[in-house]
Amino acid sequence: EAGVAQSPRYKIIEKRQSVAFWCNPISGHATLYWYQQILGQGPKLLIQFQNNGVVDDSQLPKDRFSAERLKGVDSTLKIQPAKLEDSAVYLCASSPQGNYGYTFGSGTRLTVV
Amino acid sequence: RKEVEQDPGPFNVPEGATVAFNCTYSNSASQSFFWYRQDCRKEPKLLMSVYSSGNEDGRFTAQLNRASQYISLLIRDSKLSDSATYLCVVSAYNQGGKLIFGQGTELSVKP
Repeated sequence: EAGVAQSPRYKIIEKRQSVAFWCNPISGHATLYWYQQILGQGPKLLIQFQNNGVVDDSQLPKDRFSAERLKGVDSTLKIQPAKLEDSAVYLCASSPQGNYGYTFGSGTRLTVV
Repeated sequence: RKEVEQDPGPFNVPEGATVAFNCTYSNSASQSFFWYRQDCRKEPKLLMSVYSSGNEDGRFTAQLNRASQYISLLIRDSKLSDSATYLCVVSAYNQGGKLIFGQGTELSVKP
C-alpha cells in the first residue's frame, strides 16, 4: 500500500513570501489532517478534512493560512505571507475513519528566513 | 493548561535499563489513547494503543488510569534502537477523532 505522499520535502523562503505544500493521502482514506510541528514540540493540528469538507480548522491562523481538498483526495496547504514563526515541519496524515489507521507523510520542512 | 502533558526530557539511560514515561491529559471525554514514536527528522509512527486494562507488546507496557487521567509507558531492557522521541496521544469522539499530541519525551539509550 502506498503511503501518504507530501511535497516538497524541504523549502526555504524569505518572510512575507508565499509557499504551498501538497499532500496525497492513502487511497480510500476519507479523513485528511494537516499538522504543524515546531522543533521540540509535538504536532499541532491545523485543519481536518472529511472527504472535501472541513471538520475542524479552529487552530488554523486564517489570516495567513489556507487549505483545500478539492474532490476529496489531494490537499494543498498555503501560507501567505509567511512569518519567521512559521518555520516548522508540516505533516499531512490520513485515516480511513476516526483516529485509527492514522498514517503520516514524511512532512515538509519549512524554513522562513 | 495543555491538553496533553508529558515528562520533560531528555532521558539518558544505559542499554538494558528500564525507563518509564508519564503523561496526563485534561479532556475527560478522551476515549482513545496511544503512544507514538518519532525518530529524528522522521514522521510519527504508532507504537501502541493503550487500553483500559493495560497492555503489553514485547518490552513495552502501557497503562491507563482514567480516574487520574494518566497514561504511562514502560520500556524494559532498553536497546540502542529505542532512542527516539515518545509522544503521548489522546483522542475524543467529540473532537472528530483528531489526535492530540503531547510535546514528546526524548529518550537516548547509550551503550
